[in-house]
Amino acid sequence: KNQVEQSPQSLIILEGKNCTLQCNYTVSPFSNLRWYKQDTGRGPVSLTIMTFSENTKSNGRYTATLDADTKQSSLHITASQLSDSASYICVVSARSGGYNKLIFGAGTRLAVHP
Amino acid sequence: KAGVTQTPRYLIKTRGQQVTLSCSPISGHRSVSWYQQTPGQGLQFLFEYFSETQRNKGNFPGRFSGRQFSNSRSEMNVSTLELGDSALYLCASSLRNVASGGGYNEQFFGPGTRLTVL
Repeated sequence: KNQVEQSPQSLIILEGKNCTLQCNYTVSPFSNLRWYKQDTGRGPVSLTIMTFSENTKSNGRYTATLDADTKQSSLHITASQLSDSASYICVVSARSGGYNKLIFGAGTRLAVHP
Repeated sequence: KAGVTQTPRYLIKTRGQQVTLSCSPISGHRSVSWYQQTPGQGLQFLFEYFSETQRNKGNFPGRFSGRQFSNSRSEMNVSTLELGDSALYLCASSLRNVASGGGYNEQFFGPGTRLTVL
């Protein structure tokens, strides 16, 4: 069964600290993996997209890694800011029968405190 | 360029009623996907429309339906509302068909419509 599991479910950190969010997936056949940031009351916004051959991709203070062998991805946030408080959603794309299917993780809720 | 707009932003209905939500995609985008988001289930895919045709469908009952117009605007309808239909309904627009595009086509989400069923 195609599944995407994210951990932790929620996280509280102090402003300026780093943190890492995890995403484990059992999706086949894998096409790509995307991280979204969703602020409260808003729709998700794409942070990064990674294909099978990419190990690392950065977007400012956000760095995503992908290990296709272990089927794990992580999102590292450097020097956190209050505006990083949001839910982070991992989405894995699987291709089957000529159609692309998106499998969403439940998200990690991050709270950055001053 | 204006983003994805959804109307209304908030809606309160009672069980048994029906509701229609509207989504206007980014200008030039021809794909519109609909999602249901609840605290317990996260984001769940409802369906995708591209060029006025439904291209992909999630595992939702037939009470959930949609359509897309020639200007790419899309509507989603839920009939015979149930308490469990209370959720944030998000639509996302994309330049190309997500279902056949390998997922590389970036989706841009609207702010959502918060539906409460009493």
